[in-house]
Amino acid sequence: GENVEQHPSTLSVQEGDSAVIKCTYSDSASNYFPWYKQELGKGPQLIIDIRSNVGEKKDQRIAVTLNKTAKHFSLHITETQPEDSAVYFCGAHTGGFKTIFGAGTRLFVKA
Amino acid sequence: GAVVSQHPSRVICKSGTSVKIECRSLDFQATTMFWYRQFPKKSLMLMATSNEGSKATYEQGVEKDKFLINHASLTLSTLTVTSAHPEDSSFYICSARTAELQYFGPGTRLTVL
Repeated sequence: GENVEQHPSTLSVQEGDSAVIKCTYSDSASNYFPWYKQELGKGPQLIIDIRSNVGEKKDQRIAVTLNKTAKHFSLHITETQPEDSAVYFCGAHTGGFKTIFGAGTRLFVKA
Repeated sequence: GAVVSQHPSRVICKSGTSVKIECRSLDFQATTMFWYRQFPKKSLMLMATSNEGSKATYEQGVEKDKFLINHASLTLSTLTVTSAHPEDSSFYICSARTAELQYFGPGTRLTVL
């Protein structure tokens, strides 16, 4: 089955710097890759996603890149702000019932 | 984005009692709903997957008689924690899926005394 690894587990950046979170997946049939942001005490919220026929997608300060050959995808947050501090989860979906999630990255943005 | 609600947001119960948590997709019909459990500072642990009108599929190690899941309609799924014990205390999150898009509820914090 699909396995998703996420790195780093914790990331601390200075406000205004960029943050990059990386995920790798094992099933080459995976075709949809969402990213979720979870704030303390809340459920995860979908922030951006990418499909396997696209190499990059951007939404304001957030971008996601996908390398199908290497089976890895990354979340890029530019000009980080304190409110970006949260736990971020990547996911990989193969078209079956389940999306497999990474273990999460705790991002701290220091003011 | 699509909205998924969960009720209650917090519940405190005595050991031995049962607790029901509701999950609703408010503006779309969910082909599949998922229930997750999350421990502090840990990832999402999938407990079970349910499709409307059929029995839930439980992940390995999850007791189906303890965590009863009912998916009565395309917009409602319930999780009942039966005979709750302190070790069942956790953050329970539901998720509703339409096509490949998956939306999460806000979570329910269960505390069993």
